[in-house]
Amino acid sequence: SQKIEQNSEALNIQEGKTATLTCNYTNYSPAYLQWYRQDPGRGPVFLLLIRENEKEKRKERLKVTFDTTLKQSLFHITASQPADSATYLCALLKAAGNKLTFGGGTRVLVKP
Amino acid sequence: GAGVSQSPRYKVAKRGQDVALRCDPISGHVSLFWYQQALGQGPEFLTYFQNEAQLDKSGLPSDRFFAERPEGSVSTLKIQRTQQEDSAVYLCASSSRTSGATRAQYFGPGTRLLVL
Repeated sequence: SQKIEQNSEALNIQEGKTATLTCNYTNYSPAYLQWYRQDPGRGPVFLLLIRENEKEKRKERLKVTFDTTLKQSLFHITASQPADSATYLCALLKAAGNKLTFGGGTRVLVKP
Repeated sequence: GAGVSQSPRYKVAKRGQDVALRCDPISGHVSLFWYQQALGQGPEFLTYFQNEAQLDKSGLPSDRFFAERPEGSVSTLKIQRTQQEDSAVYLCASSSRTSGATRAQYFGPGTRLLVL
């Protein structure tokens, strides 16, 4: 069955450092991979999309990589700030599909 | 509207009671999705509408769950004879054809359902 794994342990990081999160998947061939941010009591907010034929995508302090051979995506927050503290979810999407398949999320806590 | 809205935000139901959860998507968004999110987990897909047509309901956990979007805008998720395992946050999301480049879905704040 399809499986998407994110580190379930919270990531504690010092302000200014780079946070790196992983998303691994099995039994799935996504055309797209998205990352969302979710704050407590709120719905997920879209951050970035990367396509299967793209290696890397950047947006401001965020960087996402996508390795379809390893079946893995890495999500980096550079120069992290306390306001970056949230849960980050990866989500996979097939080319002809519409529904998102989410990982369990990784909670990030940036300490000042 | 400014974003996706959902009501009620919180719902407490006694086991066996029927509940109805409402979603108002972003105006003009063709696609509408319902997800279920258990505590500490990622959202899980329930069902998908394109306009008023329910194109995918593969994620609905049982025939107690029913969703509709009769006029292609507001949607209602109904759960009949609620069980304790139905306790979760129910998220609604919408997207438009113009978000095709990013395939972004825009989520509401969710309805937290607690079944006692």
